[in-house]
Amino acid sequence: GQSLEQPSEVTAVEGAIVQINCTYQTSGFYGLSWYQQHDGGAPTFLSYNALDGLEETGRFSSFLSRSDSYGYLLLQELQMKDSASYFCAVRLDTGRRALTFGSGTRLQVQP
Amino acid sequence: EAQVTQNPRYLITVTGKKLTVTCSQNMNHEYMSWYRQDPGLGLRQIYYSMNVEVTDKGDVPEGYKVSRKEKRNFPLILESPSPNQTSLYFCASSFSGNGYTFGSGTRLTVV
Repeated sequence: GQSLEQPSEVTAVEGAIVQINCTYQTSGFYGLSWYQQHDGGAPTFLSYNALDGLEETGRFSSFLSRSDSYGYLLLQELQMKDSASYFCAVRLDTGRRALTFGSGTRLQVQP
Repeated sequence: EAQVTQNPRYLITVTGKKLTVTCSQNMNHEYMSWYRQDPGLGLRQIYYSMNVEVTDKGDVPEGYKVSRKEKRNFPLILESPSPNQTSLYFCASSFSGNGYTFGSGTRLTVV
């Protein structure tokens, strides 16, 4: 089976940096992606890593270590609007290229 | 505007009454998926399609059907809905399978 683990909740203050970790155990691996979801909204794609290393997109960065089956999402200069749930998702290297999601990390940004 | 359109947004129905949730994308994406989201369980894939007439089961396909007769449309069919299918449903599409664009969601209640 497939399993992804991420913390259920993280709290940080405005302007700070927060890291959300994701470890995975899957039969096959193609890449790791991150999605943001505000309450009542749809998930929004943030980033995708297929190779080891850091990918930076503005205030958000994502890291992958394939050998450790581990990745993280780094959010810098936190803003109140970053309060949301963040999901990691693994793309399997099976023929159907499915996405398996973690159960999400709820980030609360406090003033 | 590039988007994934789901209808309806909200639906209350009775057990056993067949229903269809429509999904349409205007981005010429080959990959399309259906997910359900339940509290504490994250997003679970129901069905997946890599192209027209190519569909595959996800992690929770029981009680659902899909079809992909045209590239833009990927309807989700519940032949005989039951209360345990009460959930928030999302349709999503992708060009490469790496990052998905999600629809706004359909909140289904089966009584």
